[in-house]
Amino acid sequence: QLQLQESGPGLVKPSETLSLTCTVSGGSISDNNNYWGWIRQSPGKGLEWIGTVYYSGSTYYNPSLESRVTISVDTFKNQFSLKLTSVTAADTAVYYCARRGQMATIDWFDPWGQGTLVTVSS
Amino acid sequence: DIQMTQSPSSLSASIGDRVTITCRASQTISSFLNWYQQKPGKAPKLLIYAASILQTGVPSRFSGSGSGTDFTLSISSLQPEDFAIYYCQQTYIIPHTFGPGTKVDFK
Repeated sequence: QLQLQESGPGLVKPSETLSLTCTVSGGSISDNNNYWGWIRQSPGKGLEWIGTVYYSGSTYYNPSLESRVTISVDTFKNQFSLKLTSVTAADTAVYYCARRGQMATIDWFDPWGQGTLVTVSS
Repeated sequence: DIQMTQSPSSLSASIGDRVTITCRASQTISSFLNWYQQKPGKAPKLLIYAASILQTGVPSRFSGSGSGTDFTLSISSLQPEDFAIYYCQQTYIIPHTFGPGTKVDFK
């Protein structure tokens, strides 16, 4: 059974870079031409899609975050990662990683990791 | 961006009730609509994708319908484990956006 687990610092200072890793177990990150995504959830903005990466490394991002976001894949470690630069308090949220499922051109996220709370504060 | 709205924002229901939640998109999204269930402290769980296709393992009391801009999630007979927040998500146009959620709690 595919499982995802987020890891990374729970506290980041304003203006610094948020870095999270998602470790995939129970399957290979490159199986079935998989795509992988990051989503965050905050009380103020609800659920927000951040971006998605193909196992080969190609990406697409939420335009509202694109200038600050990088998502990458490490197939050897079976992990993918999120970097968000120049963070502010507005980036405080629970961050989830997830696999993108797809049927023709329709896609969804399943399963999700358990989520990790990242607080931006000095 | 496509704005997703849900109604009601919350509802109270009893075990065995039929529950219907509506999701509306600000422009047509064909059938590119997913439904998720989230319980406190847990990640969202996929219930339905492509507007009406039940994810494997999800009880058949859940169903989805709609296309274009208007969609519904129905629970035919509410069970204790169904008290949660339900979100819709469109994946028609980037950025993929979620609705604000509908909280289903116990009457």
